[in-house]
Amino acid sequence: SQQGEEDPQALSIQEGENATMNCSYKTSINNLQWYRQNSGRGLVHLILIRSNEREKHSGRLRVTLDTSKKSSSLLITASRAADTASYFCATALSGGGADGLTFGKGTHLIIQP
Amino acid sequence: DTGVSQNPRHKITKRGQNVTFRCDPISEHNRLYWYRQTLGQGPEFLTYFQNEAQLEKSRLLSDRFSAERPKGSFSTLEIQRTEQGDSAMYLCASSLSLGGGQETQYFGPGTRLLVL
Repeated sequence: SQQGEEDPQALSIQEGENATMNCSYKTSINNLQWYRQNSGRGLVHLILIRSNEREKHSGRLRVTLDTSKKSSSLLITASRAADTASYFCATALSGGGADGLTFGKGTHLIIQP
Repeated sequence: DTGVSQNPRHKITKRGQNVTFRCDPISEHNRLYWYRQTLGQGPEFLTYFQNEAQLEKSRLLSDRFSAERPKGSFSTLEIQRTEQGDSAMYLCASSLSLGGGQETQYFGPGTRLLVL
């Protein structure tokens, strides 16, 4: 079953605008990761934020984590056509057990030129 | 390219046939994962290996599925008596675990399976 739920399911913006995607999850986590998937390519890791971190930056990406609300957001600034892809949040559960990631259904982002 | 590789990239088979996929992880990575992704969904965890030991299996992994990592390097995923519901993208990922559970998983391009 999917733990994370991304919102919105689809987002279309103009090139140069900022894109914000949200992710909610259900159980306690060790960390939360964001991945990008282009058609015809595999999943590419974007950023990992640990459960004790609140914000992290990587280039044009900014990720926030609110463990009290069990939610995270991914902000892409100054979007480019190449950012068109599906974006997934994935959680690594705390407390041991399976170390596989639990993914949401993804947000499909379209950047219009 | 020293990333995760998977073969074949595409596989079409008839219902009832067996299929086997191969994954070659990044060479120094000690963990290897298998996921399945259907259209419009995120990947779903199937199983993972720490070196050659299979440590966890999802309940999605029915007894028709078997995975091996015989020498702690490459891995194979076999599906016996395939069903149309097995049609999906099968993704492999690897990571270097040093303890603490904070490692990044690197994904391969996947094997797309179509069962007719």
